[in-house]
Amino acid sequence: EVQVVESGGGLVKPGGSLRLSCAASGFTFTSYSMNWVRQAPGKGLEWVSSISSSSSYIYYADSVKGRFTISRDNAKNSLYLQMNSLKAEDTAVYHCARSDFTLTQDAFDMWGQGTMVTVSS
Amino acid sequence: DIQMTQSPSSLSASVGDRVTITCRASDSINRYLNWYQQKPGKAPKLLIYAASSLQRGVPSRFSGSESGTDFTLTISSLQPEDFATYYCQQSYSTPRTFGQGTKVEIK
Repeated sequence: EVQVVESGGGLVKPGGSLRLSCAASGFTFTSYSMNWVRQAPGKGLEWVSSISSSSSYIYYADSVKGRFTISRDNAKNSLYLQMNSLKAEDTAVYHCARSDFTLTQDAFDMWGQGTMVTVSS
Repeated sequence: DIQMTQSPSSLSASVGDRVTITCRASDSINRYLNWYQQKPGKAPKLLIYAASSLQRGVPSRFSGSESGTDFTLTISSLQPEDFATYYCQQSYSTPRTFGQGTKVEIK
């Protein structure tokens, strides 16, 4: 089955750290860019970060730049998001999503169900 | 940053109605405009990419169009399973930005 599955969310105190993972299966992981998109409770979608297929290009939203680090391990078909110096406003469901410029002009054509991150004391 | 302004923020419609949602980009995005559907507690689903290309498996009642920096998602005949929130998103530049969403509710 073609899918991406996130893990690693949980409750963390302000200033703490968390590492999210996204396991991909059923498709050629190395052919796709990968992305993190978050959704705060009751709010809309917010793009967080993107990484190209070979990790050559990495981008971040200003709201997380300097605190979050995206990476991938193509040998393990896995995407990661290291989140440091967490703030209450980082509380959200974090979705992993794939994209391909050639096929869909970089639209996010497959999403995981997400993992919840709660930042609270 | 390119801002995406979606309207309306919500609408009420009946099964069988024709529904139109609009999205305006603050700058040119060269048709790099995508539409997603999200149901409560579920992941978003890609409906339309590149302004008017229907994603595989999406019913043909969904369509997209473009006029300059204005984009439109049309549902030709609303079905019960279409009640959801819809988002536009530009993939022309970073940061990738989404519209604020349009909630389609049952009248």
